[in-house]
Amino acid sequence: DQQVKQNSPSLSVQEGRISILNCDYTNSMFDYFLWYKKYPAEGPTFLISISSIKDKNEDGRFTVFLNKSAKHLSLHIVPSQPGDSAVYFCAASARTGANSKLTFGKGITLSVRP
Amino acid sequence: DTGVSQDPRHKITKRGQNVTFRCDPISEHNRLYWYRQTLGQGPEFLTYFQNEAQLEKSRLLSDRFSAERPKGSFSTLEIQRTEQGDSAMYLCASSLQSGNTEAFFGQGTRLTVV
Repeated sequence: DQQVKQNSPSLSVQEGRISILNCDYTNSMFDYFLWYKKYPAEGPTFLISISSIKDKNEDGRFTVFLNKSAKHLSLHIVPSQPGDSAVYFCAASARTGANSKLTFGKGITLSVRP
Repeated sequence: DTGVSQDPRHKITKRGQNVTFRCDPISEHNRLYWYRQTLGQGPEFLTYFQNEAQLEKSRLLSDRFSAERPKGSFSTLEIQRTEQGDSAMYLCASSLQSGNTEAFFGQGTRLTVV
């Protein structure tokens, strides 16, 4: 039972254009959402997060949007750069519990073409 | 280096052998997590420590797996009588207890059971 879903396994965009990575979740208890970036043979690196009390959070080229009613979030990267090519994981947690463990999606492989 | 450190980075073992992995979290982080990632999947939660107390274990963690965090500092994950299905990347993460805090991951230990 996938509680966090990243339905598109891959995305290819031109350098300088916008990359939009989507994520859906099913568990209404999730109240904190994160995006991680992962290169091969490395651990995930934190990118950006958003609390359920917000609908947008921006950090440089990265913006995360949250639509709670649709249980959907997206990561926008503008402008995309070749160095952004990696696997991107959406993750969620229910911080009301004592354990803020993360539930991850399967990831999206982003390729940015020069 | 003040990040999460994992040792070894790679481990190849014969089926039936025992293996032990070590994780050194960020020093001021009192929460420590173990995750497992297999090909094409996102990281899956295994277990969680708050200081030295192991507070939650996933049903993925069979009785061949044991984790410890003596003195609330580093942690070890032991797998007894390894099976080929144990082959995966084992990831450790740490975080602060309070507020909107993200988990920081180590580079992982890649286990191959032959």
